[in-house]
Amino acid sequence: EDKVVQSPLSLVVHEGDTVTLNCSYEVTNFRSLLWYKQEKKAPTFLFMLTSSGIEKKSGRLSSILDKKELFSILNITATQTGDSAVYLCAVEPNFGNEKLTFGTGTRLTIIP
Amino acid sequence: ETGVTQSPTHLIKTRGQQVTLRCSSQSGHNTVSWYQQALGQGPQFIFQYYREEENGRGNFPPRFSGLQFPNYSSELNVNALELDDSALYLCASSLWGFGNTIYFGEGSWLTVV
Repeated sequence: EDKVVQSPLSLVVHEGDTVTLNCSYEVTNFRSLLWYKQEKKAPTFLFMLTSSGIEKKSGRLSSILDKKELFSILNITATQTGDSAVYLCAVEPNFGNEKLTFGTGTRLTIIP
Repeated sequence: ETGVTQSPTHLIKTRGQQVTLRCSSQSGHNTVSWYQQALGQGPQFIFQYYREEENGRGNFPPRFSGLQFPNYSSELNVNALELDDSALYLCASSLWGFGNTIYFGEGSWLTVV
């Protein structure tokens, strides 16, 4: 059975801090790993990673995948209160088969 | 906003009743997946529809069923509701073969009492 584990489960930091969120996975077939931000209801897409060692960046957020060690990290620098959310990691198994397996998520709280 | 719309946004049902949740996919998307997200958990895959046919199912009993229509919109039906069915039900639409096009709707909060 496919498995995705995220750590930490929750994190509280001060505005301006840098945070690193972790995601490890065990899947039978791997196509991609996706990161989502969930503030209230709908998870919103952040990154899709398919290749090891290639960092994806979007503003203060960045992510990288290690397919040998089966994990990914999501970094957020200079955190802001608007970054407070649950961050979800998911793996997509096969080409054209977007049946995502999610982790439990990391609840990030930014204190002003 | 993602262009994926779900209805209703909230509903309360009694144990044993039946519920239908609806999802309109984003324009151009041909695949709809449904997920159940219990409080404090990540979304769990229920099933996926592609070209009006079920294309894979997660670990959910047969009382969870669905449909996809020619316009790619979809319904999730749950019969004989149980208290543990209380959750946020998320619909995700995508274009088959392109994982980075998976967009989620705002979800339907179901409470079973």
